Amino acid sequence: SQTIHQWPATLVQPVGSPLSLECTVEGTSNPNLYWYRQAAGRGLQLLFYSVGIGQISSEVPQNLSASRPQDRQFILSSKKLLLSDSGFYLCAWSRSRTGYGSPLHFGNGTRLTVT
Amino acid sequence: GNSVTQMEGPVTLSEEAFLTINCTYTATGYPSLFWYVQYPGEGLQLLLKATKADDKGSNKGFEATYRKETTSFHLEKGSVQVSDSAVYFCALSSTSGTYKYIFGTGTRLKVLA
Repeated sequence: SQTIHQWPATLVQPVGSPLSLECTVEGTSNPNLYWYRQAAGRGLQLLFYSVGIGQISSEVPQNLSASRPQDRQFILSSKKLLLSDSGFYLCAWSRSRTGYGSPLHFGNGTRLTVT
Repeated sequence: GNSVTQMEGPVTLSEEAFLTINCTYTATGYPSLFWYVQYPGEGLQLLLKATKADDKGSNKGFEATYRKETTSFHLEKGSVQVSDSAVYFCALSSTSGTYKYIFGTGTRLKVLA
């Protein structure tokens, strides 16, 4: 069966510090990978998605970046965090052919607080 | 573009009450539709899905029917429990090959004992 791992679960970082969140998927190959952010009490904002190694699509211009160094690894980074980067970050994967009933599968999320 | 609209919450019900959470969508073609549930501090879990018109998705007593004529996918449960208290998200995936999933803003459900 497929599993998705996301870490760390919680993170408190000062403004201006760097960020690295990691996500890995097991039990499937060539998944589509996604990073979402959820502000407190709000809906989901798609930040990045990737359909293959080194292929990153950005949805919202900001000080965050994403990379996919391996087929099942997705990393969210920032060089300098802002207060507005606080939120709940969710990694997700889907089978590589959407539109055929393939759902998104989410990790347990990382709660980031920028102080 | 594609979009999903959910009813505003919070929804507060007594245990064993009937639940309906409305969801309508705008999309070209024939999207797949999903309901997800999020418990406090956790990620989203797939609750049910439907991939074509008139399909009924069901799981854990929850049901939703893909209505293309009304572009709706309302979530229903005949008798809610306190453990159903969570945030529910309606979502669609496009058939246009954009690999994107569009989510509604979520509806918070609180069930009182």
